[in-house]
Amino acid sequence: GEDVEQSLFLSVREGDSSVINCTYTDSSSTYLYWYKQEPGAGLQLLTYIFSNMDMKQDQRLTVLLNKKDKHLSLRIADTQTGDSAIYFCAEAAFSSGSARQLTFGSGTQLTVLP
Amino acid sequence: DAGITQSPRHKVTETGTPVTLRCHQTENHRYMYWYRQDPGHGLRLIHYSYGVKDTDKGEVSDGYSVSRSKTEDFLLTLESATSSQTSVYFCAISEDTKYEQYFGPGTRLTVT
Repeated sequence: GEDVEQSLFLSVREGDSSVINCTYTDSSSTYLYWYKQEPGAGLQLLTYIFSNMDMKQDQRLTVLLNKKDKHLSLRIADTQTGDSAIYFCAEAAFSSGSARQLTFGSGTQLTVLP
Repeated sequence: DAGITQSPRHKVTETGTPVTLRCHQTENHRYMYWYRQDPGHGLRLIHYSYGVKDTDKGEVSDGYSVSRSKTEDFLLTLESATSSQTSVYFCAISEDTKYEQYFGPGTRLTVT
């Protein structure tokens, strides 16, 4: 079955880089996602990566994918207090056409210290 | 932000009562999903829809039913609510040609 694992907590100093890690088990996953959730809010899609890619960069965000080890990471450069949130990684399985069932990790609580 | 609304946003109900949550989208996306979020579990898929009147089960579908009579609305029904269904429920949408899945603001349901 599918399983996605993340560490629960990460604390960093403002201005430092944050690296949030995720491991997944479904080798057939073709898309992997990172979402951000602020308190009391829904999930905001940050970025996603195709499984045939090694890296994707989008402004302060860098996603690295090691498909051999089934390891995904999200690096946030110059972390700000506004980046404090829960970050979820998710893998997609396709079914019923292009419906994408996402399997989520438990989330990593990022705390940015001043 | 994707045009997704959920109603109600908060609800408290008693064990054994029926509850219906509504998801409404203005994006005309084909696919709609219901997830629940519980501490330590991330989000888990309950049911999803791949078109009007076309639905299928997700990972945690027991005790839930869904209906989709038009593209913009996807209803989640708890026929007889139980305390284990206390959770935050999120609706999501996606379309055929893109890979993004967008989430609504959530409904916090408490079953007492």
